[in-house]
Parts: sequence; C-alpha cells; structure tokens
Amino acid sequence: GDSVTQMEGPVTLSEEAFLTINCTYTATGYPSLFWYVQYPGEGLQLLLKATKADDKGSNKGFEATYRKETTSFHLEKGSVQVSDSAVYFCALSDLFYQKVTFGIGTKLQVIP
Amino acid sequence: KAGVTQTPRYLIKTRGQQVTLSCSPISGHRSVSWYQQTPGQGLQFLFEYFSETQRNKGNFPGRFSGRQFSNSRSEMNVSTLELGDSALYLCASSVGFGDSGSYEQYFGPGTRLTVT
Repeated sequence: GDSVTQMEGPVTLSEEAFLTINCTYTATGYPSLFWYVQYPGEGLQLLLKATKADDKGSNKGFEATYRKETTSFHLEKGSVQVSDSAVYFCALSDLFYQKVTFGIGTKLQVIP
Repeated sequence: KAGVTQTPRYLIKTRGQQVTLSCSPISGHRSVSWYQQTPGQGLQFLFEYFSETQRNKGNFPGRFSGRQFSNSRSEMNVSTLELGDSALYLCASSVGFGDSGSYEQYFGPGTRLTVT
C-alpha cells in the first residue's frame, strides 16, 4: 500500500533560519503530492501541491519539488518566521486506490 | 464560498455513551473523509464517503461508523465510548477524484471529544 515518511519533530529553528522538512513516499502509479499545515487549535490547510514529476509547488515562501527518481517531496523555506510555527504534514493522493495518505506530521517551532 | 463546518466543536462524554459528530462540506463537494488525530497516533484515517457510499475505510473497530446524506453532509457515530477515543476528529471534503488524480482536501476545524 501507499505510505508517506517524514522526519519526526519537533524541529526548532531561530527566526530567519533555513527550513527543510524531508518527505519520501511509496505509491502505486503517479500520485499527486501535498503539504498541509496545521496551526494550533485549527484544522489542516493545504499549503502547496504538485501533480507530476518535476513540478514545483510554492506558497507563502514555502517550496517543494516532486522528485520521482528519489520519491521525495521535501519542504523548504529560505527564512522562517515565528508565525510559521505549526505542524506540517506531507501527503499523497493515489488515483489507483482513490485515497489520500498522510505522514505523521512534523512540528516546527520558530523562536525569536 | 463557506468552508467545511463541524459541529459541535467541543464535546465531553462519559465512557459507555455514544456520540454523533456532524460535518457539512464545501458546496459542490461530494467526498467527505473523517480522521482521528491524537498526540500519540497522529492523523489516522477513519473512512471516506462519496455520493452517500462508503468508499474507503481505515483500521478502526466497528464502534466507529458513518453515513452521508444526499446533500453530502456527513455524520460519524462512535458507540460505547472508551477513554482512548478522546481525540480531535477532523472532517475533510473534496470534489472527489477526477481525471487528474489530484485530490485536494479541505479540512474543518475539528470536534474535540473528551471521554471521561
């Protein structure tokens, strides 16, 4: 079956530091890939997505590139802010099984 | 467009009771998925409904059930509550799978269930 593996947190960074959260996946066929973010006390929000190999998703300074050869979709941001503190989930959607699979989530804490 | 709404937002129940949670998807969305989120287990998939039919199901006991109505609104029910059922229950809606295979989900704020 499908699976998504992402680094376990928490990840603690100073403001303006560079962020990378690793995500790798296993899937049948050609999945679409997503990053969701969950702020404290809220539901998940779609942050960015990529639907085919070599696509780059971007939003709010965050980027991730769909790498089919390494089955990865790492999340990056050049300069994090305190307001980026949240839990980040990597996910894939599989047309074959018609379902969505989430990673365990990585908690990011940005300190001033 | 209104987002996904879930009611109630907070709920306290006693062991052995049952509970029903409600989810109203975004207008036009026919797929509704339910997830359980706990600090120890993370985000776990419960089930998905599409056009009133359960299409996928996670690994939860039969005490967890759901249904979807013709207007796409969905309910989930948990019977004979256990302490371990305390969690945030999230609902997500989607248009459903199209030719592209992209399956963006839009989440509600969740229902916080506490079982005492």
